[in-house]
Amino acid sequence: DVKVTQSSRYLVKRTGEKVFLECVQDMDHENMFWYRQDPGLGLRLIYFSYDVKMKEKGDIPEGYSVSREKKERFSLILESASTNQTSMYLCASSFPQHFGDGTRLSIL
Amino acid sequence: DQQVKQNSPSLSVQEGRISILNCDYTNSMFDYFLWYKKYPAEGPTFLISISSIKDKNEDGRFTVFLNKSAKHLSLHIVPSQPGDSAVYFCAASLMDSNYQLIWGAGTKLIIKP
Repeated sequence: DVKVTQSSRYLVKRTGEKVFLECVQDMDHENMFWYRQDPGLGLRLIYFSYDVKMKEKGDIPEGYSVSREKKERFSLILESASTNQTSMYLCASSFPQHFGDGTRLSIL
Repeated sequence: DQQVKQNSPSLSVQEGRISILNCDYTNSMFDYFLWYKKYPAEGPTFLISISSIKDKNEDGRFTVFLNKSAKHLSLHIVPSQPGDSAVYFCAASLMDSNYQLIWGAGTKLIIKP
C-alpha cells in the first residue's frame, strides 16, 4: 500500500511567519502534488513536481514555493503567511493520486 | 472556467437504495476519469476510475458510467450504506499532463438510516 505522510495534522501560525509543510511518500513515485481544499471550491493545485528538483506551478501558486531535493520528499513553503492561506493542505503522489491525511493550517 | 463540474453540492439517499453522483466536463480531450471519496479531516481516497475508451467500469458496489457524447459521467453506489456518507470528488486527466488532475467541487453524500 502506498503511504503518503504529512508532517502535521494541525498547525497554527501567525501572519508573516514562514511556514513549512512536509510530505513524504514511500513508493519511489516521480510525481508529487500539493493542493489546498476550501469548502465549495474542491481541490486546487498549488504546485507539482515530476522529478527531483523539478517543479511546475499549478493553478494558485502565488504566495507559495516548493522544494524537492529528494525523490521521497516534497515540501510546501508559505513565504510570508497570510490569513487567506488558512486552509486544508493536501499532498499526493503517483497516479492515481494517493493522498496524505492533510494538514489543517490556521493563520492568525 | 470550470472544466469539471459537479452541480449537486449535496445528495441525501436512504440506506439500501441506489446513490447516483453526477459529473460533467467540458474538455473532450480528457482521457481518464476518477472518483475519490473524502471523509472529514482525512485525505481523499481513490475509489474507481474509467478510461475514455470504455463506457462502464464496475468494482463491487461501485459502478462508473461514461457518456462521451454528453461529456457526462456518473458514479452509482448500490446498495448505499451508512459508511458511504462522505464527500465525493470527480476528477479528469489529460494525457501528457504529467498526471495532473482537474477536480470537481465535490458532492456531499448523506446516507439516511
